[in-house]
Amino acid sequence: TQLLEQSPQFLSIQEGENLTVYCNSSSVFSSLQWYRQEPGEGPVLLVTVVTGGEVKKLKRLTFQFGDARKDSSLHITAAQPGDTGLYLCAGHYGQNFVFGPGTRLSVLP
Amino acid sequence: GAVVSQHPSWVICKSGTSVKIECRSLDFQATTMFWYRQFPKQSLMLMATSNEGSKATYEQGVEKDKFLINHASLTLSTLTVTSAHPEDSSFYICSAWTGTAKNIQYFGAGTRLSVL
Repeated sequence: TQLLEQSPQFLSIQEGENLTVYCNSSSVFSSLQWYRQEPGEGPVLLVTVVTGGEVKKLKRLTFQFGDARKDSSLHITAAQPGDTGLYLCAGHYGQNFVFGPGTRLSVLP
Repeated sequence: GAVVSQHPSWVICKSGTSVKIECRSLDFQATTMFWYRQFPKQSLMLMATSNEGSKATYEQGVEKDKFLINHASLTLSTLTVTSAHPEDSSFYICSAWTGTAKNIQYFGAGTRLSVL
């Protein structure tokens, strides 16, 4: 069974601060996705990374896929209250997807 | 991105009744759809994987007779919660996957089920 761990589980920061959340596994994935979910809504895809060492940027969000394709990080620069939500990473292998437990981020104004 | 429509978004029902939730991929064909359950402040829990034209594959601990899944076409999967009880109250989310190399799931907006 392939498992994903995410850290931290909870994070509360002030507007303008930077933060990094991590997604780790002992297994190799063919790709990895990051989603953000707001209460009462379905997850929304932020990015998918496929190649080991890949870095993708989405405005203030920077995503990195580990060289061995076992881990990933999400860095947010100058966080804003609109970034508040549950951040989920999902690893893909074969026809299966496995989700991490999520990082719940609160950005206070 | 691709659009997945889930309906209804919220349903309240009496204990013992059955509830059907629909998941449609609006602008692409989904060879595989997934059904998840999510408890408050927790991550997604995969319930079953549904492939068009075949029986769904249920995760361990999920009662297949309780949660009936039908994937009759490449754009529609349904989840029926049979004889619902208060403990079935939860947030149910579907996702659709094209099965291509992009390996991306597109999620519906979720259905909040409240069983009285």
